[in-house]
Parts: sequence; C-alpha cells; structure tokens
Amino acid sequence: SQQGEEDPQALSIQEGENATMNCSYKTSINNLQWYRQNSGRGLVHLILIRSNEREKHSGRLRVTLDTSKKSSSLLITASRAADTASYFCATAPSGSSNTGKLIFGQGTTLQVKP
Amino acid sequence: DSGVTQTPKHLITATGQRVTLRCSPRSGDLSVYWYQQSLDQGLQFLIQYYNGEERAKGNILERFSAQQFPDLHSELNLSSLELGDSALYFCASSVAALGPGLDEQFFGPGTRLTVL
Repeated sequence: SQQGEEDPQALSIQEGENATMNCSYKTSINNLQWYRQNSGRGLVHLILIRSNEREKHSGRLRVTLDTSKKSSSLLITASRAADTASYFCATAPSGSSNTGKLIFGQGTTLQVKP
Repeated sequence: DSGVTQTPKHLITATGQRVTLRCSPRSGDLSVYWYQQSLDQGLQFLIQYYNGEERAKGNILERFSAQQFPDLHSELNLSSLELGDSALYFCASSVAALGPGLDEQFFGPGTRLTVL
C-alpha cells in the first residue's frame, strides 16, 4: 500500500522558475528520501532527510520535513529542461515496521519547458 | 551511476515461464531490497535481505522468491509468470551500518519484464 501522497500529480513550469512538490505520509518515520526517475528508467537518489532534521539543502534542491504534520516538500530552484522527470518521496517507517524498506508515493511528474 | 548493477536490462518471456533477475549491490552495502514498479500499483517493496538473511517481506507473491548469496549479490526468481507480472523490477542497496532504515538506498537501473 502507498504511504505517501504527492501533490501535485503533475506540474508544468518554464525554465528558470522554481518547482515545489509536496509529500504527505501516514506513519512515524526514520527518514524520508526523494528520488528522480526519467521516463521509466532508474531511480536516482536526490536527498535523505532524517526525522530529527527540519531542512536540508543539496545544490538547487531544498527539502523540508514537518513530522508533526507528516509532510515534506521538495523545492527545485532555477529549474532546467533537464529537470523534467518524475519525482518520488519515499519513507522509511520507524518502530515495529522498521526494516529499512521504503514506502513510495505515487510521484509528481514535472515538465520544465525551455 | 549508483553502483548497483542489475541484469538483464530487458526480459521478454511467455506466461507460465520462470525467470531469474540478478542484482549486485554497491561495494560494502549489506542490505539488498527488491521493488516492483507497475502502472497500476506504483513502486512496491517486495523483499529485503541483510547480509545473507531475509529481513522483511512486503507485497511479494508466493510465486516469487529471492535469495542473497555469500558474496552479497541477490537473485529474484519469478515463476508461473502471468501477464500482470509485467513490470520494472528494481534492486536497491544500502550500507545499513547503523541499522535498518537509517541510510540512503541506491537503486539499480532495473529489469523490464514483459510477459506475453
């Protein structure tokens, strides 16, 4: 079953604009990870944020985590056509469900127009 | 390149057949995970191995089985294949040095299985 819900399902922006994707989840987590997937290819790991962290940066990526609201957001600044892809959040449940398995959301499809 | 390798990249087979998918984790990673990605179910966790032992099972059918060998590579066996088994199958690995669920999972390029 899917733990995460991502919003929006699809996003279309112009090059140079910022893109924000949101993820909500249901259970307590150890960490939340964001991935990018280009058109049916492999999943590229973007960033991991731990449950005791609130914000993390990596290049043009900024991820926030609000454990009280069970939500996360991924911001891509100054987007490029090459950022066109599907973006997934994945949570690693904590507690009795802690095995390290990831539970994925349905993903957000981002299109960046040149 | 994540460092996780999967073979084959593509597999086309008929219903009722059996196939084996292979995964080599990143050097030093002890945990291997298998996931299935299909249009209707999305990305689903199948099974996890840690240092040769099964650690967790997810939505894995009884027709499917896996193992992790002493050199840490893993194989996913799919038998009595049905049309609905057509999907992308991913392997991922993590160090798991601090315990499960605490570090990044890196994914391989996947095996695209088509059952005709």
